[in-house]
Amino acid sequence: VQLVQSGAELKKPGESLRISCKGSGRAFTSYWLAWVRQTPGKGLEWMGSIDPTDSDTKYSPTFRGQVTISVDNSITTAYLQWRSLKVSDSGIYYCARMGNYYALGVWGQGTTVTVSS
Amino acid sequence: QSVLTQPPSVSGAPGQRVSISCTGSSTNIGAGNDVHWYQQHPGTAPKLLIYGNNIRPSGVPDRFSGSKSGTSASLAISGLQAEDEADYYCQSYDSGLTRNHIFGPGTKVTVL
Repeated sequence: VQLVQSGAELKKPGESLRISCKGSGRAFTSYWLAWVRQTPGKGLEWMGSIDPTDSDTKYSPTFRGQVTISVDNSITTAYLQWRSLKVSDSGIYYCARMGNYYALGVWGQGTTVTVSS
Repeated sequence: QSVLTQPPSVSGAPGQRVSISCTGSSTNIGAGNDVHWYQQHPGTAPKLLIYGNNIRPSGVPDRFSGSKSGTSASLAISGLQAEDEADYYCQSYDSGLTRNHIFGPGTKVTVL
């Protein structure tokens, strides 16, 4: 099982963005997928997670309303989307599969998002 | 400020044993929620090291062990090796007002 994320992004404040996380293997819909942000100032932060079978989504209070998590099972890909980026959205974003005991057992390689004017 | 607390750094000589604590509260670790541990080398994604408090995924050396008691958990590394130099993060779930998965701030392990 592998999760392969889209490449690094350099955006301006106010721009929109969607990054992706493509899963390999038939088990894509068998596990919830989570998005985690890593920044030097706040470390690892759980953003939210999605059940690929029915797109049931749960957001961390910090990120609810700030991002949208979605999935396209036909191409085994999950997405993390912003409508209007802020400088504070800069960071490394990881997708990860929730496995036994809801631990994050498989991680993507990370997508670096830089928001700067 | 993280809901889970970890020491910023620990160090040890090769072959020694080091331990990393992860202290929470009655709404997360103390509520019976599981603790997981991740290892992260610079420039790479975190890797699951321990899940369900004390279970090692396949392929993780048995030098790594986890435990949990009350509102705290610990990760122990015995027979410290050079490749163990990395950042280590604990993770749990907070059943309080936020009802959210939470990470500790991380501990840098240095092999002397």
